[in-house]
Amino acid sequence: SSELTQDPSVSVALGQTVRITCRGDSLTSYYATWYQWKPGRAPVLVIFGKGSRPSGIPDRFSGSSTGNTASLTISGAQAEDEADYFCYSRDTSGDLRVFGGGTKLTVL
Amino acid sequence: QVLLQESGPRLVKPSQTLSLTCNVSGGSLSSGGYYWMWIRQHPGKGLEWLGYIYYSGGPYYRPSLESRITISTDMSRSQLSLHLTSVTAADTGIYYCARESIAAPAMFDSWGQGTLVTVSS
Repeated sequence: SSELTQDPSVSVALGQTVRITCRGDSLTSYYATWYQWKPGRAPVLVIFGKGSRPSGIPDRFSGSSTGNTASLTISGAQAEDEADYFCYSRDTSGDLRVFGGGTKLTVL
Repeated sequence: QVLLQESGPRLVKPSQTLSLTCNVSGGSLSSGGYYWMWIRQHPGKGLEWLGYIYYSGGPYYRPSLESRITISTDMSRSQLSLHLTSVTAADTGIYYCARESIAAPAMFDSWGQGTLVTVSS
């Protein structure tokens, strides 16, 4: 089914910009969705489709996709953005699903 | 808002069958429009998609588990079930049920809180 690949950890200084990437063969055909996951809470959708944000998600979160790589960018990272972020999409067949391994974001 | 709650044995012996249920409240398994998923997370690792079922089709399974996994629904009890046979320590993890909209693939709209299952003798 071909999983998605993410860097295990990324750090960013408070107020700076950070990009989290997700790579996989299926992303040439399907968009990734991005979730923020904090301990003890349900994952929160932050980006879907071509880079859309659900209502309530700050506009410092943005998404893009090029070739087999999807990116989540946080512009002006805040302390509350410290969390795990994972990408999720369909596999190359379109019928199954694949997750990224998750990226732990630390805001310094 | 639909609520999902996983339940089942927390400890399973190697070679036995892991059986979990997901109680669905505030929504119906028989209403079309949703994929009902099972997902797990190995200790300290990322998420792993296991499979899904929906009202008019499926189930679809993770290829590496296809010989051991069964996902089914009991509409009368409003329950989603997972059975995983011949378990090993590699099946230890937190198991989640979740719902994804068919109209919005790869977008969850509800997650259970998860249940930790340990495979050990």
